[in-house]
Amino acid sequence: DQQVKQNSPSLSVQEGRISILNCDYTNSMFDYFLWYKKYPAEGPTFLISISSIKDKNEDGRFTVFLNKSAKHLSLHIVPSQPGDSAVYFCAAWGGDKIIFGKGTRLHILP
Amino acid sequence: GAGVSQSPSNKVTEKGKDVELRCDPISGHTALYWYRQRLGQGLEFLIYFQGNSAPDKSGLPSDRFSAERTGESVSTLTIQRTQQEDSAVYLCASSLAGLAGVDTQYFGPGTRLTVL
Repeated sequence: DQQVKQNSPSLSVQEGRISILNCDYTNSMFDYFLWYKKYPAEGPTFLISISSIKDKNEDGRFTVFLNKSAKHLSLHIVPSQPGDSAVYFCAAWGGDKIIFGKGTRLHILP
Repeated sequence: GAGVSQSPSNKVTEKGKDVELRCDPISGHTALYWYRQRLGQGLEFLIYFQGNSAPDKSGLPSDRFSAERTGESVSTLTIQRTQQEDSAVYLCASSLAGLAGVDTQYFGPGTRLTVL
């Protein structure tokens, strides 16, 4: 049973537009959420996180929104750049464990 | 300074053999994590070490998997009697204090394991 779900395996966005990556979770005990970015043949890179006591966290071009009642979070990237093409993983922290989604591959189109 | 390193970068082994994967965390990082990523799947948490506390092993997929860490240094992940389903990239990460979200995890480049 997947506790963290990224329902879109891939997403294509025009350069300069907004990229929106979505993530749903089932466990209301999760208290911290993270987004990671991964290029091929490299380890994941931490991007941005959000505590369950907040509903928004912003860092440069990246903003994460959390809707606790819907158990949904999203990552917004604006404006999208070619270097943003990668796989994005949503993760949730509960206790001593991080549970990851399966990832969404983002393609930024020229 | 040096990042997280892992060795070997690639390992090809025959089914039934044992393999040992090594992770050198960033110096001073008390927390160390092992993950794996199988083809077409997301990252899977395996085990987490925090200082000298007993590790959380609940993510290990079977009793063929074990991991050790001496103090706050090197960790080894051992897979006994490897199976083809063990083929994956094994990733190690370390962080300063082990508090996810508050504390950034830094990942190594991974070990690509192929079981024939």
